[in-house]
Amino acid sequence: DSGVTQTPKHLITATGQRVTLRCSPRSGDLSVYWYQQSLDQGLQFLIQYYNGEERAKGNILERFSAQQFPDLHSELNLSSLELGDSALYFCASSVGTGGTIVDTQYFGPGTRLTVL
Amino acid sequence: AQKVTQAQTEISVVEKEDVTLDCVYETRDTTYYLFWYKQPPSGELVFLIRRNSFDEQNEISGRYSWNFQKSTSSFNFTITASQVVDSAVYFCALRTSGTYKYIFGTGTRLKVLA
Repeated sequence: DSGVTQTPKHLITATGQRVTLRCSPRSGDLSVYWYQQSLDQGLQFLIQYYNGEERAKGNILERFSAQQFPDLHSELNLSSLELGDSALYFCASSVGTGGTIVDTQYFGPGTRLTVL
Repeated sequence: AQKVTQAQTEISVVEKEDVTLDCVYETRDTTYYLFWYKQPPSGELVFLIRRNSFDEQNEISGRYSWNFQKSTSSFNFTITASQVVDSAVYFCALRTSGTYKYIFGTGTRLKVLA
C-alpha cells in the first residue's frame, strides 16, 4: 500500500458527461501528480500541483482541469467526455516539488474510467 | 524536441537470465531527470529510480542496475538473475528542468518464464 488513495476505483459514464476523480496524497506529501494511461496514447503526464499551486502542466486537454485543496487532496475534473477519454487515471504524490533526489513518487491504484 | 524511445516492445527471458531494457532520450536541456517505473500485471505503477543529468554514476540496487551515458543519451536498466516477479511493463521517462513535464516511453513488456 503506497498510502495514496484514489476514488472511485471504477467509473462508467456516457459521452458528454462530466466526472470528478479524487486523490488523497500520502501524509506529509505536498505534491500531487496526475497521469493518464490509455491504449492509444500510452502513459501521459497531465499536471502537477505543489502545495496548492500548479507546478507543471503536461498534455492536459482544455476539457480537463485539476486543483489541489488546502488539505492537499486533489481533484481531476473531466468534462464533455469522449470515448477516447476512457483510460486509467493515476495519481501520485511526493514530498517536494520533484526536484530533489529524495523525491520518490508514490502512486495510487488508479481510477479506471470507461466512457460509453 | 523531447522524446523517450524504448525500442524493445516485449522481451522474454528464462528465470535467472540477465536482461537489459534500453532507453534512449532526446532533449536540448542541459539539466534534466530520468526515471524508470515498473507496472506489474496488477496494474499499479511503482517508481524505481531517478537520475539527474549531472550525475552519471551508475547505480545498483540489489538485482537492479542502471547505466546512464550522456554521450549516447541512454539510460539502460539491467535486471540480474531475473525472477518471475520481475514480469511487468517497464517505463522510462524524462523530465525537463524547464517545463517540469514528464515524457514517457512506450514501455517494454518483460516476461520472465519459470
